[in-house]
Amino acid sequence: AQSVTQLGSHVSVSEGALVLLRCNYSSSVPPYLFWYVQYPNQGLQLLLKYTTGATLVKGINGFEAEFKKSETSFHLTKPSAHMSDAAEYFCAVSDGDSSASKIIFGSGTRLSIRP
Amino acid sequence: DVKVTQSSRYLVKRTGEKVFLECVQDMDHENMFWYRQDPGLGLRLIYFSYDVKMKEKGDIPEGYSVSREKKERFSLILESASTNQTSMYLCASSIPGNVEQYFGPGTRLTVT
Repeated sequence: AQSVTQLGSHVSVSEGALVLLRCNYSSSVPPYLFWYVQYPNQGLQLLLKYTTGATLVKGINGFEAEFKKSETSFHLTKPSAHMSDAAEYFCAVSDGDSSASKIIFGSGTRLSIRP
Repeated sequence: DVKVTQSSRYLVKRTGEKVFLECVQDMDHENMFWYRQDPGLGLRLIYFSYDVKMKEKGDIPEGYSVSREKKERFSLILESASTNQTSMYLCASSIPGNVEQYFGPGTRLTVT
């Protein structure tokens, strides 16, 4: 069975500071990993995904994440926070890309940006 | 651009009412999903469908049913709404071979 743990339900950083949102996963097979973002009153939007290949994945809006198999982690980072980054972020894991594959979502981390 | 639309952004229903939540996608995707989102619990899968007239239970199907009569439309049905079904409901779609899902804007349902 797969699972995702997001450490910290709420993270607050100053504008211009480093953003680090933590995600650890559990999977019995090589995982597909995702970060989604949800802005207020909107649906989820894909930030980035890891399937195979390069372990450092770059996404939209300057975010990136690194797949570390030895640590079962997929932390999301951005070097310099912007006010527009305030949103809820979800880490997710899937066991593949077949029609039978499902995505398991973490409980979410709300990111606040202080002026 | 993939577009997933949901029939209502906000809905208020009374306990015991039958509730229909509609989702339409315009990209000819085979797979469609219904989730509910609650604070601190993330997204939980209610039902999903691989194709027309096909449906599979997700992790929390109790109290819900679904209908997929056309490829582009996936309906979530609450046969007799209860207050514990007050939640945000999100619809998503994907194509086989691509696990990435595209989400609609959500329907915030309040059952009083």
